Amino acid sequence: EVQLVESGGGLVQPGGSLRLSCAASGFTIRSYWMHWVRQAPGKGLVWVSRISSDGIITSYADSVKGRFTISRNNAKNTLYLQMNSLTADDTAVYYCASGQPIRDWGQGTLVTVSS
Amino acid sequence: IVLTQSPATLSLSPGERATLSCRASQSVGSYLAWYQQRPGQAPRLLIYDVSNRATGIPAKFSGSGSGTDFTLTIDSLEPEDFAVYYCQQRNRWPPLFTFGPGTRVDV
Repeated sequence: EVQLVESGGGLVQPGGSLRLSCAASGFTIRSYWMHWVRQAPGKGLVWVSRISSDGIITSYADSVKGRFTISRNNAKNTLYLQMNSLTADDTAVYYCASGQPIRDWGQGTLVTVSS
Repeated sequence: IVLTQSPATLSLSPGERATLSCRASQSVGSYLAWYQQRPGQAPRLLIYDVSNRATGIPAKFSGSGSGTDFTLTIDSLEPEDFAVYYCQQRNRWPPLFTFGPGTRVDV
């Protein structure tokens, strides 16, 4: 069974940093583009970032460019999102997702940016 | 590219047909996908490349359209179909993904 399990969310102060992880099981991520998508409470889906299967190509939404960094460790079957300079607008559930189109999703990890 | 979905909310009864619209600010070619999100759950891929059903998605879900105008049709609504539906496109350049704001299908 394909599973994506996010971790690393929590409460962080404005200006702070967090690193999210996404552990995959039931499949090998090395064959897939991977994504982060977020959803603020009560709001819609917002694509955040993606990374190619080999990790060479990355792209970001304008709202996070320069602050967030996506990376992957195919040997560990894990995706990451380093988030810096966080603001209240970054408060959301962050989903890890795989494929292009995006076929599989994790259950999400909540990031709350608040003082 | 900006995606607009209409209506924002669609109120229907079980057994009825739902027709959801997604309009793009410019042509998106064939990369248009639809997702369903039930309350408290992660999204689920329904349709990709405009009209292809994802694995395990019943034939009651169908997608159509081209260029800038796309439609998701759900035949004979069942209780589990009442959810929020999002369309999504992928730019070739810059290589960005965009979701529409969603359409809520309510009882």
